[in-house]
Amino acid sequence: DTAVSQTPKYLVTQMGNDKSIKCEQNLGHDTMYWYKQDSKKFLKIMFSYNNKELIINETVPNRFSPKSPDKAHLNLHINSLELGDSAVYFCASSPQTERSYEQYFGPGTRLTVT
Amino acid sequence: LAKTTQPISMDSYEGQEVNITCSHNNIATNDYITWYQQFPSQGPRFIIQGYKTKVTNEVASLFIPADRKSSTLSLPRVSLSDTAVYYCLVGEEGLGGGYQKVTFGIGTKLQVIP
Repeated sequence: DTAVSQTPKYLVTQMGNDKSIKCEQNLGHDTMYWYKQDSKKFLKIMFSYNNKELIINETVPNRFSPKSPDKAHLNLHINSLELGDSAVYFCASSPQTERSYEQYFGPGTRLTVT
Repeated sequence: LAKTTQPISMDSYEGQEVNITCSHNNIATNDYITWYQQFPSQGPRFIIQGYKTKVTNEVASLFIPADRKSSTLSLPRVSLSDTAVYYCLVGEEGLGGGYQKVTFGIGTKLQVIP
């Protein structure tokens, strides 16, 4: 019954590798997001998709590419991983309701690049 | 983008009421104020949202003065399980249809003491 799920929960990989994190929501929401939380606990938005269309693309290296195969999924692909990519990545979703900022977050994926 | 300022940390004893104040001097006319809670190793969880005056739900109350340049999250009779980071957010205007671009600050780390 998990509303927003992410896989994997932990990801340890070496520099230069390519990896993907998957996100699925079963809430029927139209909008999905990817956030990055660094070691200092700042939580910054990376991308936002609405109905499979990219809406927000913050200043993120183009090594990061979101892909939305359908409204319920938003996956994050990261190429040529760097040490600075180590962080916790959160997926979130929200209903298409104006003036409501309620987002539902997944449990996070802790990425460690060695 | 309305920036928010809140205390980095607070301590409280169990059973006490906790008030966390957030400053947002540059809040825009149409912006809403939203509070999230984040436990360690979990994604943020929506607590409450308001525009003006007072909003109350089963978890907390949100007090917003007339000038809306600040807001106060009030947690009644906290317990140990309320130990978490609390984020005050001011939502940017949607791009239409409820798109939400919220920016999380560093939050307030609340430690509830037995």
